[in-house]
Amino acid sequence: AQKITQTQPGMFVQEKEAVTLDCTYDTSDQSYGLFWYKQPSSGEMIFLIYQGSYDEQNATEGRYSLNFQKARKSANLVISASQLGDSAMYFCAMRGIYNTDKLIFGTGTRLQVFP
Amino acid sequence: GAGVSQSPSNKVTEKGKDVELRCDPISGHTALYWYRQSLGQGLEFLIYFQGNSAPDKSGLPSDRFSAERTGGSVSTLTIQRTQQEDSAVYLCASSSYETLNEKLFFGSGTQLSVL
Repeated sequence: AQKITQTQPGMFVQEKEAVTLDCTYDTSDQSYGLFWYKQPSSGEMIFLIYQGSYDEQNATEGRYSLNFQKARKSANLVISASQLGDSAMYFCAMRGIYNTDKLIFGTGTRLQVFP
Repeated sequence: GAGVSQSPSNKVTEKGKDVELRCDPISGHTALYWYRQSLGQGLEFLIYFQGNSAPDKSGLPSDRFSAERTGGSVSTLTIQRTQQEDSAVYLCASSSYETLNEKLFFGSGTQLSVL
């Protein structure tokens, strides 16, 4: 079985500071993919970043980077230079090689950026 | 279409009534997914379609829930004899493939309220 755990129900960060959102996962698949999505108050799910389990380097996409520690089964999202528009729910998700038809999500972390 | 389209955006119904939720995926996307998001919760996987077939129905919460997809395109999620615990946002997503790194594109969801 696959499982995603996000232990931070809410996080606060000051504008222009960096923040790390935690994600740990559990899978028996040797190959898997990890995703982060953002969900603003409007409700749409916005794809942010992807990390493959065999990628040698941590993924980066603009202000988003992924701190991937395979041995610890963690895939933390780092947002640098936070902006007020970053306030949203953030979901970590994974898909395993033997379950490519299913993207499993964590319970999410609500990030609030204050001036 | 340009994105995943869901209708209606909001649905209020009385307990015991049947409801139909519609999803129109991105043109050409063969994979289609339904998720449920209860208030303040993560995304719960309901069902996945590859073309018109649904190889995995394990996520449907009860036999009151059913889904179909015709012509490899539009999908309908039907909830019979709705209960108050069915109140949630129902999200549809689509993707081109089911490879590890293939991201899902989400619709804006249908907010279902059962009174």
